[in-house]
Amino acid sequence: AQSVAQPEDQVNVAEGNPLTVKCTYSVSGNPYLFWYVQYPNRGLQFLLKYITGDNLVKGSYGFEAEFNKSQTSFHLKKPSALVSDSALYFCAVRDMNSGAGSYQLTFGKGTKLSVIP
Amino acid sequence: DAGVTQSPTHLIKTRGQQVTLRCSPKSGHDTVSWYQQALGQGPQFIFQYYEEEERQRGNFPDRFSGHQFPNYSSELNVNALLLGDSALYLCASSITVNTEAFFGQGTRLTVV
Repeated sequence: AQSVAQPEDQVNVAEGNPLTVKCTYSVSGNPYLFWYVQYPNRGLQFLLKYITGDNLVKGSYGFEAEFNKSQTSFHLKKPSALVSDSALYFCAVRDMNSGAGSYQLTFGKGTKLSVIP
Repeated sequence: DAGVTQSPTHLIKTRGQQVTLRCSPKSGHDTVSWYQQALGQGPQFIFQYYEEEERQRGNFPDRFSGHQFPNYSSELNVNALLLGDSALYLCASSITVNTEAFFGQGTRLTVV
């Protein structure tokens, strides 16, 4: 079974400050890891992914995430937060060994990011 | 490219009724997955369709069923609606095992 934990329901950060949204995961095999963002009454928008290779992954809108295998973490980061970054952020995992035909993503409960002007 | 499109955007049904939700995948994508997102929760996997067959299923009862058509579009059917089925239903499409899933804007289902 695979699972994702996002330990913070809400993260508040001042505009211009760096932000971090935390995510830890559990899979039996090697993970595919994703971050999605959701604005009110909208679907999910893809931000970035880790499949293999460099542990620091760069994505859309200046976001990046660091894969740490020993800590089973995939924290989302941004050097300078914008008010427009305020949204709901979801971390998701798929087990690389779950089979060639499996696209099942397991999501965390989400973290609400509020960037204060 | 229209991306993943879902219809309708909002729907109100009465307990016990049946509902059908529709999804057109992103151009070039052949795999469609459906997710249920209850208020304040992350999306929960319902099932996945590939080559017109259900390939994988999450922990949802048989009241939830689906279909995929030759043009890769998909339907989600829910029978005997319960109040607890009220949620945002998300469709996602993808093409290969190494790529991300692209999500539609969702259908907000309210059961009264």
